[in-house]
Amino acid sequence: GAVVSQHPSRVICKSGTSVKIECRSLDFQATTMFWYRQFPKQSLMLMATSNEGSKATYEQGVEKDKFLINHASLTLSTLTVTSAHPEDSSFYICSARTSGGLYTGELFFGEGSRLTVL
Amino acid sequence: DAKTTQPPSMDCAEGRAANLPCNHSTISGNEYVYWYRQIHSQGPPYIIHGLKNNETNEVASLIITEDRKSSTLILPHATLRDTAVYYCIVRVGTSNTGKLIFGQGTTLQVKP
Repeated sequence: GAVVSQHPSRVICKSGTSVKIECRSLDFQATTMFWYRQFPKQSLMLMATSNEGSKATYEQGVEKDKFLINHASLTLSTLTVTSAHPEDSSFYICSARTSGGLYTGELFFGEGSRLTVL
Repeated sequence: DAKTTQPPSMDCAEGRAANLPCNHSTISGNEYVYWYRQIHSQGPPYIIHGLKNNETNEVASLIITEDRKSSTLILPHATLRDTAVYYCIVRVGTSNTGKLIFGQGTTLQVKP
């Protein structure tokens, strides 16, 4: 199946710094990628939809200036957590949709990136 | 947006079939039902999806009721490695950016 890779898988940073997480589709092109956040023992919460070459669409309640998303190519989307604080500590997961037809092709998920802000 | 309702947890004996139900009574005609599962702190791999016909692949079967208001994911011979959280999701939107909104899922515990 299609492979989505996230990097880094784990990152620890100090409060106030910015952290960038990469999401790559390794063997397919993805015009659309999605970013999720998951707190312990909770479900995945959609943060934003990232479209190649255009601005991301954020879900209600997600600060776009806090979570910067860039989808510069058909195989790469990045999420930057700016001025991170301990409450931003979470598991961040991306998914990528194959550039297939409207109702074909499942979304493939990366393995997630665990962010710990000290 | 159509939402799904799943039991929070289920148990299943190893080797037996695991039947995971999902209600999606507000699903619209062009929305698909997707199933994913998540094993502790990993990205959730895709299992199966369907529109109105029953579907089967090498991992599971998906049975969708005729009125499409509910579905059941069937793992034919559950193993201990099938212990995970299973998410039933209805595909939102009618554009190529259709997104997946996760509910709380069902935690399946397969017991020896």
